[in-house]
Amino acid sequence: DAKTTQPPSMDCAEGRAANLPCNHSTISGNEYVYWYRQIHSQGPQYIIHGLKNNETNEMASLIITEDRKSSTLILPHATLRDTAVYYCIVRLFLPGGGGTSYGKLTFGQGTILTVHP
Amino acid sequence: GAGVSQSPRYKVAKRGQDVALRCDPISGHVSLFWYQQALGQGPEFLTYFQNEAQLDKSGLPSDRFFAERPEGSVSTLKIQRTQQEDSAVYLCASSLSVTYEQYFGPGTRLTVT
Repeated sequence: DAKTTQPPSMDCAEGRAANLPCNHSTISGNEYVYWYRQIHSQGPQYIIHGLKNNETNEMASLIITEDRKSSTLILPHATLRDTAVYYCIVRLFLPGGGGTSYGKLTFGQGTILTVHP
Repeated sequence: GAGVSQSPRYKVAKRGQDVALRCDPISGHVSLFWYQQALGQGPEFLTYFQNEAQLDKSGLPSDRFFAERPEGSVSTLKIQRTQQEDSAVYLCASSLSVTYEQYFGPGTRLTVT
């Protein structure tokens, strides 16, 4: 799986947008970009994923550059409860699934996002 | 609805003891994953099941680690002769199938003394 690079930490004021960058310059055509977050003492939580188009759901927006070498996760109105470690993951995807390790997630160090009042 | 549950939440074992960690996935989820998370690190893949078949165990660190899912639902991760370096949080995740998003349980924190 392609590697990702994220800043180790970021701060954001409550109510403002949090923009978390991720570099994945070696991503291949059959790899998706996934974002998970992990709040202290909890398991990781799925946020969003995308292939090449921008995506939005009730939690966040994902902006992927045209060359797919980087992406940005946007939390439009950050709250104190969004304080967590955010992981950008590149995940191999094969249509129809597959029987081996295609599903596993390879986590890096992530970005510690601190939302302050 | 019910999410992924794991038990126990905390386990303290003396070095050399055997431990068994349980994972109850979301009902109907075919795929089940185990991850190990050391303090301050991201989770690392251990093993993967599709129904009862263990299709990938490439992340298991040694032959002291063994996982099973005999009926395709509940899974158990067993660690024999625990060592201090086994101290970590063990996370279980399930998904509808291998390519869908994974839902994680709260983890079991294992401390080996």
